[in-house]
Amino acid sequence: DAGITQSPRYKITETGRQVTLMCHQTWSHSYMFWYRQDLGHGLRLIYYSAAADITDKGEVPDGYVVSRSKTENFPLTLESATRSQTSVYFCASSAYPGTSYEQYFGPGTRLTVT
Amino acid sequence: SQQGEEDPQALSIQEGENATMNCSYKTSINNLQWYRQNSGRGLVHLILIRSNEREKHSGRLRVTLDTSKKSSSLLITASRAADTASYFCATDTGGGNKLTFGTGTQLKVEL
Repeated sequence: DAGITQSPRYKITETGRQVTLMCHQTWSHSYMFWYRQDLGHGLRLIYYSAAADITDKGEVPDGYVVSRSKTENFPLTLESATRSQTSVYFCASSAYPGTSYEQYFGPGTRLTVT
Repeated sequence: SQQGEEDPQALSIQEGENATMNCSYKTSINNLQWYRQNSGRGLVHLILIRSNEREKHSGRLRVTLDTSKKSSSLLITASRAADTASYFCATDTGGGNKLTFGTGTQLKVEL
């Protein structure tokens, strides 16, 4: 099915471990985004990508690494997970700079770091 | 830092009533968007209003924008139980379609 998918949907990991969250979209959208959602903070932008091999930091990039070798995939890696990275992570894509500014969100990954 | 702040944080109404949510922001914007999030789900885009627009309608949704006050409101008319969700405003200040989200309003529509 067309759309934007995230995997895994739920993940429990230990402090210090490396974790990679996957994001895949089938629309060939140029722009892709990673957000984290925490109570009291709404959604905060971690990293975004304007195209394959072009990425840039958002508001809260520390502790995260991204790559984008293919247009459709935008993985997010926590190099050494910390408890403060326990959160719900959302990937999004948009057709910008085409005709639309709206972002399409995946279902989210709930990550718990113990 | 949070660009948008929503008010109220939580709102409970009866089915059929109107729901109004407000959003204030701090810096100049290119456009402002509203999103809905059902419990445990991703966000869904509702409506976008550009900085040169003052009001926009989409079905039961009405959005206003006052750039002089740096504020926006979302009105949902004739609310239904299915409208129960969290609603977020998001500002696009230009430069790469990056959005800054507010903290959201939790709307509960009771039968």
